[in-house]
Amino acid sequence: GAGVSQSPSNKVTEKGKDVELRCDPISGHTALYWYRQSLGQGLEFLIYFQGNSAPDKSGLPSDRFSAERTGGSVSTLTIQRTQQEDSAVYLCASSLQRGAYNEQFFGPGTRLTVL
Amino acid sequence: DQQVKQNSPSLSVQEGRISILNCDYTNSMFDYFLWYKKYPAEGPTFLISISSIKDKNEDGRFTVFLNKSAKHLSLHIVPSQPGDSAVYFCAASEDNQGGKLIFGQGTELSVKP
Repeated sequence: GAGVSQSPSNKVTEKGKDVELRCDPISGHTALYWYRQSLGQGLEFLIYFQGNSAPDKSGLPSDRFSAERTGGSVSTLTIQRTQQEDSAVYLCASSLQRGAYNEQFFGPGTRLTVL
Repeated sequence: DQQVKQNSPSLSVQEGRISILNCDYTNSMFDYFLWYKKYPAEGPTFLISISSIKDKNEDGRFTVFLNKSAKHLSLHIVPSQPGDSAVYFCAASEDNQGGKLIFGQGTELSVKP
């Protein structure tokens, strides 16, 4: 079966522009997580969804970051007025249900470069 | 503050020998720990996990040890194989946090033939 997919795989943008990153989770997975990995760092939690609701947005770095999930499936992470420090690999993961005991399956990530 | 730390950025091991990857944490509320493996240009894949009520979990060549008093866990790979060369991330979670994972910085393992 299909795994988690993310698009685009690479995105280069200019400082100040808005970007949208998309995540298609595994069909039937109710929980969806966004993480990012900056250069030389571990994965940093951003936000998670249970269905279409986001019980925990605590990892979003600023109000320039937002995310939504529709139909309990696709999720979009939007970064407004991008800054150079937003450059990172953005990873999406999904699991059957929320909770750490449910394995999270990761997509390949979107590499964002802000010039 | 870094709640999960992997202090060794890299490790090189000879094929057939043991690889030991270490991880320390500071949050005593963590009750579930995981190791993920990551190849370049791919997302991390789950490797093995351990609940805080246990001190050891084994799966084939992979064993994870948890020392709660020291807030330390380690991943042992025996015997190491060239295909094990990857970046290994330690992660931790609290029970009521919805599955939110806190990751370490990763350790790049290189297994030499």
